[in-house]
Amino acid sequence: GAVVSQHPSRVICKSGTSVKIECRSLDFQATTMFWYRQFPKQSLMLMATSNEGSKATYEQGVEKDKFLINHASLTLSTLTVTSAHPEDSSFYICSARDLYGASTDTQYFGPGTRLTVL
Amino acid sequence: GEDVEQSLFLSVREGDSSVINCTYTDSSSTYLYWYKQEPGAGLQLLTYIFSNMDMKQDQRLTVLLNKKDKHLSLRIADTQTGDSAIYFCAETNPLDQTGANNLFFGTGTRLTVIP
Repeated sequence: GAVVSQHPSRVICKSGTSVKIECRSLDFQATTMFWYRQFPKQSLMLMATSNEGSKATYEQGVEKDKFLINHASLTLSTLTVTSAHPEDSSFYICSARDLYGASTDTQYFGPGTRLTVL
Repeated sequence: GEDVEQSLFLSVREGDSSVINCTYTDSSSTYLYWYKQEPGAGLQLLTYIFSNMDMKQDQRLTVLLNKKDKHLSLRIADTQTGDSAIYFCAETNPLDQTGANNLFFGTGTRLTVIP
């Protein structure tokens, strides 16, 4: 089945540093990946849509200079939280659409990355 | 994990009301959500309801919660072709300290609006 991995699963960093989170589709190609943010035990909020080879599309209210997204290949998208602050502490989840899957509407979710900024 | 179930498909005529149903098993669910996924797009949070409420209305959307039967529904009044999408219900219990995020999704209901 379609598997999406994220790395790291958990990261703790100091305020002011930058953190990169990787999202990989392991056994399928994904032209589109999505990045979500989830506050503790609350809803999933879409942050941006990442398209391979082009600029990401950010949702309203999401700072694109703060959350840098790169989608350099059909199997990898990265989210970099720049100059992280404690309010950026959250659970970040990616999902990917299988380009050639039976249903291109299906999104496969990664396990998430818990970011804690001290 | 918890079970959250939805019917897979629903077709309605433009202008009619749509009712999308969801059942869940976690009696301690505190927050229940409805998400909309348009073709090729990410999940967008439509609305949510707290478990101490039984109804919430937001413009054309009405959410009904029957906590006793663990049944959640989303009613869309005056359904338009732009409402065609996949609708996911999800539930969580913030008081549950186990697991990473404990947000459980249903399988999604594909709503097709016929002009």
